[in-house]
Amino acid sequence: ETGVTQTPRHLVMGMTNKKSLKCEQHLGHNAMYWYKQSAKKPLELMFVYSLEERVENNSVPSRFSPECPNSSHLFLHLHTLQPEDSALYLCASSQDTQAGANVLTFGAGSRLTVL
Amino acid sequence: GENVEQHPSTLSVQEGDSAVIKCTYSDSASNYFPWYKQELGKRPQLIIDIRSNVGEKKDQRIAVTLNKTAKHFSLHITETQPEDSAVYFCAASSGGSNYKLTFGKGTLLTVNP
Repeated sequence: ETGVTQTPRHLVMGMTNKKSLKCEQHLGHNAMYWYKQSAKKPLELMFVYSLEERVENNSVPSRFSPECPNSSHLFLHLHTLQPEDSALYLCASSQDTQAGANVLTFGAGSRLTVL
Repeated sequence: GENVEQHPSTLSVQEGDSAVIKCTYSDSASNYFPWYKQELGKRPQLIIDIRSNVGEKKDQRIAVTLNKTAKHFSLHITETQPEDSAVYFCAASSGGSNYKLTFGKGTLLTVNP
């Protein structure tokens, strides 16, 4: 499969659950990102990894914990979330983080609902 | 930090007309300005981008203009077609980095046949 693949596509969880979102890219890119997309709000950058090293944490609460075991895989571990965390979580990748190579390719997203 | 304002929030045009979406940004260090299109239920996809050393860029029916002095950039779509209907997002690089993008809130474009 090509491109950026996210699983699961839909997730419903209670506030006390622990779950994980997974992202995999088959593009040979070196940078991966997590974005949050909520209704009526701009896309919000959460985390950026470059060559498996976190280079950006955009003031995200600790109940969101990213993991990047290699340059092809990115996880977002979720625990004790709040209802306001319900949103579409988009993974993206780019060739790298430098000018000229930072064009984002997005996954289809994981729709999260927190009850 | 960077602030990106996008207008209008909704835009309805007749097929064949032109559509213009405008964005302003606050960070004078911003040097990369992409536009993404997101169809209903689908992922955002890059349609065009421009860097700060260029004032205008065109790709078939789509063009983007950049005015660095005024800190605004615009997306122009000519000869609109129903398949152009989607949400369009502008973005600007921020914090002096190339990878940290701040997005606008989006414009819902509807092209009526």
